[in-house]
Amino acid sequence: AIRMTQSPSSLSASTGDRVTITCRASQGISSYLAWYQQKPGKAPKLLIYAASTLQSGVPSRFSGSGSGTDFTLTISCLQSEDFATYYCQQYYSYPPWTFGQGTKVEIK
Amino acid sequence: QVQLVESGGGVVQPGGSLRLSCAASGFTFSSYGMHWVRQAPGKGLEWVAFIRYDGSNKYYADSVKGRFTISRDNSKNTLYLQMNSLRAEDTAVYYCAKDQEAFDIWGQGTMVTVSS
Repeated sequence: AIRMTQSPSSLSASTGDRVTITCRASQGISSYLAWYQQKPGKAPKLLIYAASTLQSGVPSRFSGSGSGTDFTLTISCLQSEDFATYYCQQYYSYPPWTFGQGTKVEIK
Repeated sequence: QVQLVESGGGVVQPGGSLRLSCAASGFTFSSYGMHWVRQAPGKGLEWVAFIRYDGSNKYYADSVKGRFTISRDNSKNTLYLQMNSLRAEDTAVYYCAKDQEAFDIWGQGTMVTVSS
């Protein structure tokens, strides 16, 4: 199974900050990478698929980049509603579909 | 609107069984593969099972293989997860999710607690 590793596991940031989360795959996954946002007590929400394609309705301050094994999720100007946990997921080789362990974005 | 609604969660003793349902609306259910994903309390997301749009192929995580069965009834727009021989480590919120490249639509989740 392909292992997905996110860094950092958590971070503290202020509203207006630029935030970057990294996801590394244990083997090449081309661009078959998705990012999800999850708020406490809620279901995950798809933000980005195909490494860099914004899901409909997702604000443009979210962006994704990368291919192969290294990927990045960037929030250009952090808003209060962006404090949440973010997960990456590969869908290149399955089963199993695999997720990173999550990155919690907290208020500084 | 596009929606997935899970039901069937609850408290069950170790070794017991439970069947989860996921009712779909707002899209052509019979055209899409569907997943079950779970999240143990305070933990991350774990993929559990997948079924193709027509039910012809099913895949399972090693952790549930032989104990869980995924199925669907396209006439009822409903996805199921039959869970047998439940263990404490199966305690989690169970989500159903629609497969469109990534998991683009998720239900609200249903809690399963395995405890004596």
